[in-house]
Order: sequence, then structure tokens, then C-alpha cells
Amino acid sequence: QQQVKQSPQSLIVQKGGISIINCAYENTAFDYFPWYQQFPGKGPALLIAIRPDVSEKKEGRFTISFNKSAKQFSLHIMDSQPGDSATYFCAARSNFGNEKLTFGTGTRLTIIP
Amino acid sequence: DTAVSQTPKYLVTQMGNDKSIKCEQNLGHDTMYWYKQDSKKFLKIMFSYNNKELIINETVPNRFSPKSPDKAHLNLHINSLELGDSAVYFCASSQPVSRTGANVLTFGAGSRLTVL
Repeated sequence: QQQVKQSPQSLIVQKGGISIINCAYENTAFDYFPWYQQFPGKGPALLIAIRPDVSEKKEGRFTISFNKSAKQFSLHIMDSQPGDSATYFCAARSNFGNEKLTFGTGTRLTIIP
Repeated sequence: DTAVSQTPKYLVTQMGNDKSIKCEQNLGHDTMYWYKQDSKKFLKIMFSYNNKELIINETVPNRFSPKSPDKAHLNLHINSLELGDSAVYFCASSQPVSRTGANVLTFGAGSRLTVL
């Protein structure tokens, strides 16, 4: 059972365009939603994160939009650059219990010139 | 100075062998994890230790045995390796959520295990 559903599986965007990756969840106990970026041969690294008490968080070209009622959140990459080409994972953590992160299935993003 | 370091980076072995992967973190974090990433890039938690105590043990075959000699180290030993164990294994560490208000995982670079 996939608790965090991520789409699309792969995405190709032209340089300068907007990349959008979507995630949806069912568990209302989730209270922390990070995005991780993974380059080939490397471990995932935290990119940006949001809590459900805000609807949007922006850091540079990266923005998380959060819709609590729809139980959805998305990552927007503005002015996408070839260096953004990587695999992106959304994740969610429950607010009680063992605090483990549940990851989405990943999106392979390719930015073409 | 690497924050979370894993060794070896690559491991190729025959079915039925026993192998170990070592992990060390110099971040002073209390919690360490092992994640498995399969060929489709899916990341799944296997184990988590908080200050040497096992706190997460997902549905993992008992051929996998983690060991944490101290809070800076978490090793993974795998007995009787099977073809399906081929994957990239990531070690990670974090501070408890209650202390930082966030669960920021810092991952190592991964150990690619290939079972022939």
C-alpha cells in the first residue's frame, strides 16, 4: 500500500520552463512534508519542506504548494535549469509514533536545452 | 568532511554469501537509518536506531541484521544473500523531531550491492 502517491514518474521540461511534481496522501496524521533531490550516484538530499499550517513555501526557484483539504502537495521549479535534472522524492511523516518518513515513488526530471 | 559515510560503495558477491555494510555519521545525530532503494528508485525504510536502540524494524527478512555499537555507527549485516537483495542501500541520520521540529534526514552516498 503506497501511502504517498507521486506523479508523474518522469518529466521532461525545456530550460526556463516550470517543472511541477505532484504528491497525494491519505494519512491525516502526516504533519511534515519534505522534498528530496537525488542526483545519479548520490544519496537523496533535502531540498525544501513544509508543514500543513501553511499553504505555500518558497526557497529561491523552488516552491511547495500545499492543499490540506485535498491532501495534496506539489513541488514547482521555476526557470528550470539543466542542473535541476535529477530524481525528486516527496515524503511525509506522521506526527506520532516512530517519526519515520514515508517516501513517494520518485520523479525523474530531465531539463532539455 | 563527509557527514554520513558508508563503506563499501560497491559490493559484488555470489548468492548465499554473507556481507556487511558499514555506516558512520559525524553530525552528532541521535537517530540512524537504513533505507533500501530498488531498481525502480523506490526508497523503503528498513531499520532505524535511536541512540543505539532499535525503534523501527520494517518487514525485512531476518537475514538482515543491523548493529549499532554506538550512536555514530550503524552497520548492516546480510546473511545468505539472494538475487532480490540487489539494490542500493542508503544509510541516513537525523535529529529527533521533538528537538528540531523537523525530520531532516542526511543520507550517505549509498552502497550498491549486486548479487550474482
